[in-house]
Amino acid sequence: DTGVSQNPRHKITKRGQNVTFRCDPISEHNRLYWYRQTLGQGPEFLTYFQNEAQLEKSRLLSDRFSAERPKGSFSTLEIQRTEQGDSAMYLCASSLAQETDGYTFGSGTRLTVV
Amino acid sequence: QKEVEQDPGPLSVPEGAIVSLNCTYSNSAFQYFMWYRQYSRKGPELLMYTYSSGNKEDGRFTAQVDKSSKYISLFIRDSQPSDSATYLCAMSSGQGLAFGKGNQVVVIP
Repeated sequence: DTGVSQNPRHKITKRGQNVTFRCDPISEHNRLYWYRQTLGQGPEFLTYFQNEAQLEKSRLLSDRFSAERPKGSFSTLEIQRTEQGDSAMYLCASSLAQETDGYTFGSGTRLTVV
Repeated sequence: QKEVEQDPGPLSVPEGAIVSLNCTYSNSAFQYFMWYRQYSRKGPELLMYTYSSGNKEDGRFTAQVDKSSKYISLFIRDSQPSDSATYLCAMSSGQGLAFGKGNQVVVIP
């Protein structure tokens, strides 16, 4: 297990299309987080899971966004009817429940909506 | 006012200099304080982690947390060109991290 894996690394899509990203966390981590980062800004929290339960969602997560974590393993983030404002880096992170080791981030999926 | 304020101004220093970075925050519930390093087109990498107030040292890096002032700092001694990156402060009350905007640091050989 070499860390948090995200796929795809890059995605270019036309406005109005749906996109789905995948995150594979570190296997022993039961918390999984999604963040969004735009140029020149720090990552912004979107949502997080403890095992398969989605425990918190940011107000940034409009109804076009949905995240799942079936069986508490990998997670998917889907954006429906993409808009140009959705262009960003989508980062996934995982951690142990205790948070004492911090979060481990993946390399992200860079989304460009044209 | 954002929960976490980090002056995003770029910082250029000569090799060997001390780099000093800081963040302020408004949420007194924050207990976990972190510094992440992010290289271009990569995800953030955990650099330092501190629980509550105090200092923590790891090699050339020192993190300080002053909860009474709601102020955290990161110092990089003997800076190297490989330290050139964006440094992000982050903090948490236990559920999700709040990040600063990040400081781009360039260490000039």
